[in-house]
Amino acid sequence: GENVEQHPSTLSVQEGDSAVIKCTYSDSASNYFPWYKQELGKRPQLIIDIRSNVGEKKDQRIAVTLNKTAKHFSLHITETQPEDSAVYFCAAGLYTGGFKTIFGAGTRLFVKA
Amino acid sequence: SQTIHQWPATLVQPVGSPLSLECTVEGTSNPNLYWYRQAAGRGLQLLFYSVGIGQISSEVPQNLSASRPQDRQFILSSKKLLLSDSGFYLCAWSSANLETQYFGPGTRLLVL
Repeated sequence: GENVEQHPSTLSVQEGDSAVIKCTYSDSASNYFPWYKQELGKRPQLIIDIRSNVGEKKDQRIAVTLNKTAKHFSLHITETQPEDSAVYFCAAGLYTGGFKTIFGAGTRLFVKA
Repeated sequence: SQTIHQWPATLVQPVGSPLSLECTVEGTSNPNLYWYRQAAGRGLQLLFYSVGIGQISSEVPQNLSASRPQDRQFILSSKKLLLSDSGFYLCAWSSANLETQYFGPGTRLLVL
């Protein structure tokens, strides 16, 4: 089945710097790649997603890139702010009789003011 | 607009007791429904998903089960809880023809 690896597990950056989180997936049939942000004690919230027919997508300070050949995708946050501090999850989704999404283990991002 | 509810919000149960967690979705029909478990400080583990009433796919063999008695209701159950069942249980839904999943507020379960 699908397996998603996410790195790093913890990331600490200075306010204003960029943060990059990388994920790899194993099943070439995966065609949907969402990213979620989870603040302490709360539910994960979708922040951006990308489909397999697109190589890059940007939404203000957040961008995602996808390399289907290498089976990896990345999240880029520019001009980080303290409120960006949270756990970020990548995921890979595919149809297997229903649509299934497998999540990475998460990256805890600390943005230091 | 769509809303997803979970209850209870918090639950403390003794080892060996039964469990029933409920998830309901409003404002949509025929959603795909999902149960995830998140251990403390860990990632999201997919437990079950359902594409329709009575249809359940199990991802991880364990002492949990799921049922979907109605279109917008998804229930997670156990006959006998283990200590390792402690965690944050999240229900999620997606439209039948779209991939994006939206999570409920979660149930925090502590098994003692």
